[in-house]
Amino acid sequence: DIQMTQSPASLSASLGETVTIECRASEDIYNGLAWYQQKPGKSPQLLIYNANSLHTGVPSRFSGSGSGTQYSLKINSLQSEDVASYFCQQYYNYPLTFGSGTKLEIK
Amino acid sequence: EVQLVESGGGLVQPGASLKLSCVASGFTFSDYWMSWVRQTPGKTMEWIGDIKYDGSYTNYAPSLKNRFTISRDNAKSTLYLQMSNVRSEDTATYYCTRGSMGITTGYWGQGVMVTVSS
Repeated sequence: DIQMTQSPASLSASLGETVTIECRASEDIYNGLAWYQQKPGKSPQLLIYNANSLHTGVPSRFSGSGSGTQYSLKINSLQSEDVASYFCQQYYNYPLTFGSGTKLEIK
Repeated sequence: EVQLVESGGGLVQPGASLKLSCVASGFTFSDYWMSWVRQTPGKTMEWIGDIKYDGSYTNYAPSLKNRFTISRDNAKSTLYLQMSNVRSEDTATYYCTRGSMGITTGYWGQGVMVTVSS
């Protein structure tokens, strides 16, 4: 199985700041990487697919980048509604595997 | 609007069987791969498996394939997860997902809780 190592586990930032979450795969996943947002008490929502493509309806302040084994999610101009947990997931190979999540809070 | 509504969860004893359902609406169910994902109380996400749009092919997480079976009824727009010989570590929220943009986990239902305890 491909292991996904996500960091940091938690993050606190001020409104308007830019934050970055990292995900490292145990082998090359050839951009088969997705990012999800899960707000408290809600189900996950797809933000980014193919490492850098924005899913339908996702605000442009979210962006994804990376290649090979290293990927990141960047959130520009942090808003209060961005308080959530964020997960990465590789879908390059079965079984699909997830990172352990990053909990984002507002300072 | 894509809607996925899971049901069938609850409290179940270790060693028992349980069948979860997911009723889909807002899209042509038979056009999409579907999958199940679970999230433990500690928030760990685990992919369970997926099923091809016509039900002819399935993939499973190796650790679960001997106890879990995914099936679908396209006439009823319903996805199923049959769980057998459940264990305490199967306690989780189970999500039904639909494919989008080449991923089988593009859209998620609201989830259904399963608690395995005596």
